[in-house]
Amino acid sequence: DAGVTQSPTHLIKTRGQHVTLRCSPISGHKSVSWYQQVLGQGPQFIFQYYEKEERGRGNFPDRFSARQFPNYSSELNVNALLLGDSALYLCASSTRGNEKLFFGSGTQLSVL
Amino acid sequence: LAKTTQPISMDSYEGQEVNITCSHNNIATNDYITWYQQFPSQGPRFIIQGYKTKVTNEVASLFIPADRKSSTLSLPRVSLSDTAVYYCLVGAMDSNYQLIWGAGTKLIIKP
Repeated sequence: DAGVTQSPTHLIKTRGQHVTLRCSPISGHKSVSWYQQVLGQGPQFIFQYYEKEERGRGNFPDRFSARQFPNYSSELNVNALLLGDSALYLCASSTRGNEKLFFGSGTQLSVL
Repeated sequence: LAKTTQPISMDSYEGQEVNITCSHNNIATNDYITWYQQFPSQGPRFIIQGYKTKVTNEVASLFIPADRKSSTLSLPRVSLSDTAVYYCLVGAMDSNYQLIWGAGTKLIIKP
């Protein structure tokens, strides 16, 4: 069975640009969560979606947005990129919530 | 939101049993305790989850005392490949609940 897949694996952007990160959950999983992980720190929660509805949002500015599609895949969008947005962006899927999260390998975003 | 405290780093040797303790003094009645493992440039991987007493699976054991204010992840006979960061999380399983991740414990296994 395929695990959680994220694309792209690496991305380089410049300040002020926009980025879209994509995530495909494990088949049968209806919940997708997004996390930001800065080097040396634990993942920080950004969003959680369940059945295409936003169920939770972390302490991130409105430049960050996300959505979940009918096939349960998800996109994370970040506008007006800042240098501080450079991080590993992780997507996790689960059947409903936090019972057991399955993570993808992440998208490494570098903002120059 | 339940907060956890765990050692920043630990060292051990191949073949030893490693115990990593996590404290969570304000754990709520409906909170579960979950441990994840993370290698560099990869997403975290679920290790084990429990509510009380002891849970064991093929890779680890989780010991939770009666007051549930702490928990201990036990890794039997570690190998070099167990070198990773280990995160202890406490929270409800509801989809609305925001899990709080600390900095984790960096475990280094030496030959």
